[in-house]
Amino acid sequence: NAGVMQNPRHLVRRRGQEARLRCSPMKGHSHVYWYRQLPEEGLKFMVYLQKENIIDESGMPKERFSAEFPKEGPSILRIQQVVRGDSAAYFCASSNPGTGFWEQFFGPGTRLTVL
Amino acid sequence: AQSVTQPDIHITVSEGASLELRCNYSYGATPYLFWYVQSPGQGLQLLLKYFSGDTLVQGIKGFEAEFKRSQSSFNLRKPSVHWSDAAEYFCAVGLYNQGGKLIFGQGTELSVKP
Repeated sequence: NAGVMQNPRHLVRRRGQEARLRCSPMKGHSHVYWYRQLPEEGLKFMVYLQKENIIDESGMPKERFSAEFPKEGPSILRIQQVVRGDSAAYFCASSNPGTGFWEQFFGPGTRLTVL
Repeated sequence: AQSVTQPDIHITVSEGASLELRCNYSYGATPYLFWYVQSPGQGLQLLLKYFSGDTLVQGIKGFEAEFKRSQSSFNLRKPSVHWSDAAEYFCAVGLYNQGGKLIFGQGTELSVKP
């Protein structure tokens, strides 16, 4: 039973490029959450999605960031025109609707470096 | 302001010694409470959680935590630390009216001396 999978594990981008981060939730999980961890800080909530719906995006920066969780395939966090301040670890978590949204299982993260 | 505070950024304990990591929250109502552990370069693993009921909760790897409403605290404890416990520990809260949104403290890095 595979856990939450994220790829790539490491991503290097130059300023102005686009970054696409993928998250495949655990089998049977239809809720996905994205968190960002800046250096020396705790995780900060970004967005909560269910299949084809954004439930809570209160933590998403207003510009350049978007997220989706299509009916088929992984959830994608997209960062357009990256800047150095976007360098961080991005974690995805998933949960099972049967056990609710508080039982979140985390992936290993994608570490984004912006040059 | 609403917040989750872990007062200790870094703690060092000797192997076999007891451990207590502090967590305080500042919210009007009692939130749901969690402790996670993060090993270097890894994701987070849930150690234990508190929703209601018995204020002393048992978790994995020999950890326990006690919820104290009067102190707005949820401190993590372990009676005897092992070298493999060296990691970063995060306290987190969830608010019943913000389903799915975990709010994390800044983390406490634990080092274990042989």
